[in-house]
Order: sequence, then C-alpha cells, then structure tokens
Amino acid sequence: SQQGEEDPQALSIQEGENATMNCSYKTSINNLQWYRQNSGRGLVHLILIRSNEREKHSGRLRVTLDTSKKSSSLLITASRAADTASYFCATASTGANNLFFGTGTRLTVIP
Amino acid sequence: SQTIHQWPATLVQPVGSPLSLECTVEGTSNPNLYWYRQAAGRGLQLLFYSVGIGQISSEVPQNLSASRPQDRQFILSSKKLLLSDSGFYLCAWFPGRGDEKLFFGSGTQLSVL
Repeated sequence: SQQGEEDPQALSIQEGENATMNCSYKTSINNLQWYRQNSGRGLVHLILIRSNEREKHSGRLRVTLDTSKKSSSLLITASRAADTASYFCATASTGANNLFFGTGTRLTVIP
Repeated sequence: SQTIHQWPATLVQPVGSPLSLECTVEGTSNPNLYWYRQAAGRGLQLLFYSVGIGQISSEVPQNLSASRPQDRQFILSSKKLLLSDSGFYLCAWFPGRGDEKLFFGSGTQLSVL
C-alpha cells in the first residue's frame, strides 16, 4: 500500500507550545501535502512540498521532507486552541491522478 | 469561484437498502473527481476516482459503485448496504492544470443499522 503513516496518532499540548507531527510513506513521490480536518468536516489543504524541496514555510507552519528516509514533518509553532484538529499527510506519485492519505494525527491544543 | 457540494450531510440506512450519494462541482470544467471513505478516527481510503465522464477507476473491491453521468457530477451508489459500509464519505475534486491540491466537500456521515 502506498498509504502513509502519521506519528503520533494523538498529541495534546498547551496553547503557545509547538506541535510536531511526522509522516512516513513507502513509494517514490512527486509531492507531499498536509491537510487539516476539523471534526466531522471535510479536509482543507495546508501546504505542499515537492520532492526536490527540503523545507517549506507558510505562516506558523513549517514542513520538512526527507526523500531518502521517505518521511516528512509538520511543525505548528505557537499553537492556538483553534489549531485543534486532525492533520493528515498525503502523497502524490509522478503521473498519478490520486493522493494517498496517511492515518492522521489528532492534535488537541489546551487553552 | 469553484465550489463543491455534497449531500446529504447525514444518512441513516438499514442493512440491505440502496444508497445514492451525490457530489457536484461548480465553477470548473473537466475536474478529476474522487470518493474517499473515512472510518471513525481513521485515515482516508480512496474508493473511486474519475478523470472524465463515464471514466471510473476503482481502488478497492467492495459493495459500492460510482458513476459520472455529467462532467461535474459524481455519484456513489450501492444496491444493498452492509454494516461495514458505515463511515464518513468525502467527495473531492482536483483541478489539475498545475494545481495539485484536492478540494473536499463537507462529507456525508453514513450509518448503516
């Protein structure tokens, strides 16, 4: 299966702390994306990093990609209660029409 | 602007009954369309995707089928629901043409009892 795995499955932190989530995948990719899902809602795209990039920033988000280890991490700095959600990584292979999603990390930010 | 509509938001169906979930996209043409299923507290499983009218690719053999009768309409169906079909169903579209992210609908929570 091409599906990735997120680690940890659940993470609980205090507001203001940083949150780090990791993603591992199995096959060669064209890009890796992170999505956010509020409970009972659809997913929303956060950030995309290409296979030839090692790090990318967007606001309080920082994503790294290590293609040799087939892993990525998502860092949310200065977390807020509103960041409470599930976060998923998704991988796209070259020429593929699909994204394959990981199992997700459930983040709880305590006010 | 482009929008995606998915309905109904919730559905409770008895085992053995049929299913039809509909998804439509506005403001674009020839999108790639997807159906995902998410079990409670789990990741997303790709069920079907379509790159054009009448073109359906199935990722997982199961009790479900999909159809794309129009360019911006994607339908998920079952003739007889099973208990294991319960879950959160998400429709998504992919513009292609240089935009590589998926846009998701709001989802349908299906409970088969």
